[in-house]
Amino acid sequence: DAKTTQPPSMDCAEGRAANLPCNHSTISGNEYVYWYRQIHSQGPQYIIHGLKNNETNEMASLIITEDRKSSTLILPHATLRDTAVYYCIAVNGGSQGNLIFGKGTKLSVKP
Amino acid sequence: DAGVIQSPRHEVTEMGQEVTLRCKPISGHDYLFWYRQTMMRGLELLIYFNNNVPIDDSGMPEDRFSAKMPNASFSTLKIQPSEPRDSAVYFCASSWTGGEKLFFGSGTQLSVL
Repeated sequence: DAKTTQPPSMDCAEGRAANLPCNHSTISGNEYVYWYRQIHSQGPQYIIHGLKNNETNEMASLIITEDRKSSTLILPHATLRDTAVYYCIAVNGGSQGNLIFGKGTKLSVKP
Repeated sequence: DAGVIQSPRHEVTEMGQEVTLRCKPISGHDYLFWYRQTMMRGLELLIYFNNNVPIDDSGMPEDRFSAKMPNASFSTLKIQPSEPRDSAVYFCASSWTGGEKLFFGSGTQLSVL
């Protein structure tokens, strides 16, 4: 599975959009991009995933570049409860055993 | 849906003792995963099961660790004998075939003194 690269930390003002980047320049055609987050003292939580097209759900939007070498997770109106570590993972479809969590991005939402 | 249920939430034991962590996956899920999280190594996959059968245990650190899944609604992770370096948060997760959307439990905080 492709390696992903994320900034170690980011800050965001409460109420503003949080844009979390992820680089996956070696991603292959059948690898999906998944995002999870982990709030302090809790288990990781699924946010969203995509293959080629941009995706949106009740939690976030995922923007994948046309060449699929990078993506951005967007939290449109960040709240203090969105403070967490966000993980970007590239994985083959159907490969549950290959969800490898890296160090992620520590997002701090500040009032 | 109660989600993935792990017990105990916290476990404090002395070096050399046997430790058993328990997990109840979400009903209908056919994959079950055990992860370990430490500050130094982050989240590591230890082992996962499909339909109660262990598929990949290459992440199990050594023979002191063992995991079982006797039925679709229960799994255990056992450490015998435990050592201080086993101190970590252990997470159980489950999912259904065809998706990488894992549902995680709240974890067990293990401290081995």
